[in-house]
Formats: sequence, C-alpha cells, structure tokens
Amino acid sequence: GAVVSQHPSRVICKSGTSVKIECRSLDFQATTMFWYRQFPKKSLMLMATSNEGSKATYEQGVEKDKFLINHASLTLSTLTVTSAHPEDSSFYICSASRGQETQYFGPGTRLLVL
Amino acid sequence: AQSVTQLDSQVPVFEEAPVELRCNYSSSVSVYLFWYVQYPNQGLQLLLKYLSGSTLVESINGFEAEFNKSQTSFHLRKPSVHISDTAEYFCAVSEAWSGNTPLVFGKGTRLSVIA
Repeated sequence: GAVVSQHPSRVICKSGTSVKIECRSLDFQATTMFWYRQFPKKSLMLMATSNEGSKATYEQGVEKDKFLINHASLTLSTLTVTSAHPEDSSFYICSASRGQETQYFGPGTRLLVL
Repeated sequence: AQSVTQLDSQVPVFEEAPVELRCNYSSSVSVYLFWYVQYPNQGLQLLLKYLSGSTLVESINGFEAEFNKSQTSFHLRKPSVHISDTAEYFCAVSEAWSGNTPLVFGKGTRLSVIA
C-alpha cells in the first residue's frame, strides 16, 4: 500500500509555456501533499505544502504565482509551472501523507525547458 | 527549525564490505528520523524510520540505523553491501507529534559499491 504516482515522468517544453504535473495517491487518501524540487546532485528542497481544499503554503523564496498548486481532492494534487524558463528545469518530486508521520514519495517528474 | 548534516557526500565501498553512512541532526524539539534511498532517475523510497521506542531500527534489506539522542545522530549501517545497494541515501527529520510536517533533508550520500 501507500503508492504515489506522478505524471508525466518526463516533459520537455518551450520557454514561455506552462506545464502541469500531477501527483496522485493511488491507494490511500492524502490529507497533505508536499512538493519538492531537486537540483542535480543536490538534496530535495521543499517548495510548498498543500492540504486538501485549502491554499498551499509556500516556502520562502518560492513564487506562488509561478508555481501554482491545486489540491482539489484527497488523491490528487497538481503543480503548474507557469511561463516556464530554462532555470525552471529540474526534477520535481511530490510526496503524500495520510495524516501520520510518514511521507510516501512519487517517482518524480523531470522537466526540461528549452 | 531542524537541520540535517550528512558528513560524507560520497562513499565508495567494495562489495560484501560493511558500510556506515553518517547523519547528524539539529533540533530544539523532538524529532522523527528517516532514511530514504533514491535510485537513478527515480523518486525516494523509505528505507527505515525512527519514531519512538527501540533506538535500533532495521529495514527488510539488511540496513539498520541507531538513534543516539546524546550525539544527535542517526547513522545508517549495513554489515555487507551488494552492488544493488548503489544509490543516493538521504537522511531526513521532521518535528515529532505535529502531524503533517514537512521533511528536512540532508544533502545526501552517494554510496557506490565496487565489485
């Protein structure tokens, strides 16, 4: 149990376009989902915390108008990178929690902006 | 706030040799401790965790970690590594007893097992 999926696994887009990444908890209800960003050979940096039905809480330095997060249901959260630029290229990973201490991570989405 | 320090960015080790990946943390409150493993181009998989109780925790694939409160450490060990253990290992903490709090990660240690 506790499987989290992400879609797409890889995406290449042109600069200026928007990209939506989905994070789904497949076999449990996730009261909270987290979005992380990982740079090459670096650790994970928390971008935002989202609770179902409420606005996401963004970490300092993360632009909420650029990284739109929606947590519309207990099994789905989406991250939309708006007007993407090459510096937004990264590995984006979501995690989901069912109200306890353990987070379950998705397989990640590699974004490349040309 | 919490912080995590993984002292070694890379650890090369020969197959069947023992290994220890070090992790120290800093926190003003009680914490939960985790080790995650990341294989190339994949997400993170939970390896083991300490929440409370016995300070020695084990995973199903032979890893173990011991919570040492006085030294604020949670080092990961395996007595005999395999080639398949080659991966990036992340130590993480979260605030205890606080529900859905985010994880704070160390910078990771790349374990390379040499045949």
